[in-house]
Amino acid sequence: DVKVTQSSRYLVKRTGEKVFLECVQDMDHENMFWYRQDPGLGLRLIYFSYDVKMKEKGDIPEGYSVSREKKERFSLILESASTNQTSMYLCASSSGTRASTDTQYFGPGTRLTVL
Amino acid sequence: AQTVTQSQPEMSVQEAETVTLSCTYDTSESDYYLFWYKQPPSRQMILVIRQEAYKQQNATENRFSVNFQKAAKSFSLKISDSQLGDAAMYFCAYFTGANSKLTFGKGITLSVRP
Repeated sequence: DVKVTQSSRYLVKRTGEKVFLECVQDMDHENMFWYRQDPGLGLRLIYFSYDVKMKEKGDIPEGYSVSREKKERFSLILESASTNQTSMYLCASSSGTRASTDTQYFGPGTRLTVL
Repeated sequence: AQTVTQSQPEMSVQEAETVTLSCTYDTSESDYYLFWYKQPPSRQMILVIRQEAYKQQNATENRFSVNFQKAAKSFSLKISDSQLGDAAMYFCAYFTGANSKLTFGKGITLSVRP
């Protein structure tokens, strides 16, 4: 089975802190994604990566950056956390090319609270 | 821009009954894919079913089937013989290779009454 893990299930940070959310997949997938999930808004794509060291902006990249130094690991970085970044963050991965229609496999999510 | 609309925020179904979850989308593309994902409470999101737009036949997966109406841009999910384990949030999603992004609807919370 594909396994996508995220470093924390719950995280509490203070405004202005630098926050790292880590995601690891064990299926050698080329593509990895970061979403945030908010009630009434569904899932919105923050960033995605279709290869090591490659990244593309999603629909809401402002206030976030990402890093993909190894194929299995995709990190989401909040340079200076703000209260409006309190949310559930979901990581996903899929195989294939950049335009792959393969199933995305999701991690369990990290519920981040910024005080 | 592509949009996915799930107009019903919540639905409820009696165990063993059938329920249909609605989804509409807007696109100018002719080649795309549609998905239904399930997110159980405090559990990981998983794929329920997918449909290729070029296929006229509706996809089915055991108790789950879709009614894909391409001209109407409608993609509803039918769950037959509902079980308690079907209680979850369901998301409709759209994908096109033109921008390589999966666009999600806002989701619908399905509850199953025993």
